[in-house]
Amino acid sequence: KAGVTQTPRYLIKTRGQQVTLSCSPISGHRSVSWYQQTPGQGLQFLFEYFSETQRNKGNFPGRFSGRQFSNSRSEMNVSTLELGDSALYLCASSLVWDASIGELFFGEGSRLTVL
Amino acid sequence: AQSVTQLDSHVSVSEGTPVLLRCNYSSSYSPSLFWYVQHPNKGLQLLLKYTSAATLVKGINGFEAEFKKSETSFHLTKPSAHMSDAAEYFCVVSDNAGNMLTFGGGTRLMVKP
Repeated sequence: KAGVTQTPRYLIKTRGQQVTLSCSPISGHRSVSWYQQTPGQGLQFLFEYFSETQRNKGNFPGRFSGRQFSNSRSEMNVSTLELGDSALYLCASSLVWDASIGELFFGEGSRLTVL
Repeated sequence: AQSVTQLDSHVSVSEGTPVLLRCNYSSSYSPSLFWYVQHPNKGLQLLLKYTSAATLVKGINGFEAEFKKSETSFHLTKPSAHMSDAAEYFCVVSDNAGNMLTFGGGTRLMVKP
C-alpha cells in the first residue's frame, strides 16, 4: 500500500514569505504528526492531529500552524519565513493516537530552504 | 519532562563486527522507548520499541535493545554489522499518551568494508 506522501519534496522561499506543506497519510490512518529536522536542533515535534483535532503542540512560535482535513490529509503552514526555518519537515501517520500502541510511519519529508 | 541523550554522535565499525549505539533517557513516567533509523534522503523507519513488556526487545534487521530501568539506558546492539546498516540512528522516548516523540541527537553509524 502507498506510504506517507509529502508534497512538495523541495522548495525554496525568501524571508518574509509563507509556505504550505502537505501530507497525505497512509490510507485509514487518522493520526498525523509533524516534525522539524535541522542540523543544529535535530528532530523536534511540531504538532499532532487526530480526527481533525490538534492533540499536542510543540514549542514553536505561532508562525507555525497546521490543520487536518476530514480525509485525514494534513497541511502545515509557516508564515513570515525566517532563515532559521530552513529544515526538513517530516510528517508521520499512525492508525492510532498513542505511539506505545501503534507505529508511526514517516514520509520522506519536504526540504525547505529560506534565502 | 522527558529527554534522550545519545552518547556518541558517530560510531565506526568494520563489517562483520558488533554494533553498540548508546542511549540514556530521562522520563517522569514509565516511558515508551524506540529506535528509528534514517537512511540518506529517506524518512525514518522504526527498528524496535519498548512498551513495558519484555526488557529485551528484538527488532528488524537483527537489531535488539535492552531496557535497563536502573541505568535509564536503552542501548541498541547488533551482533554483526552489514554495509547496509550505515545510516543515522535515533533513540526516541514518549512518556505521555499520544504520538509526541522526543528524539535524541542521533548517532551516525559508519560501516567499513
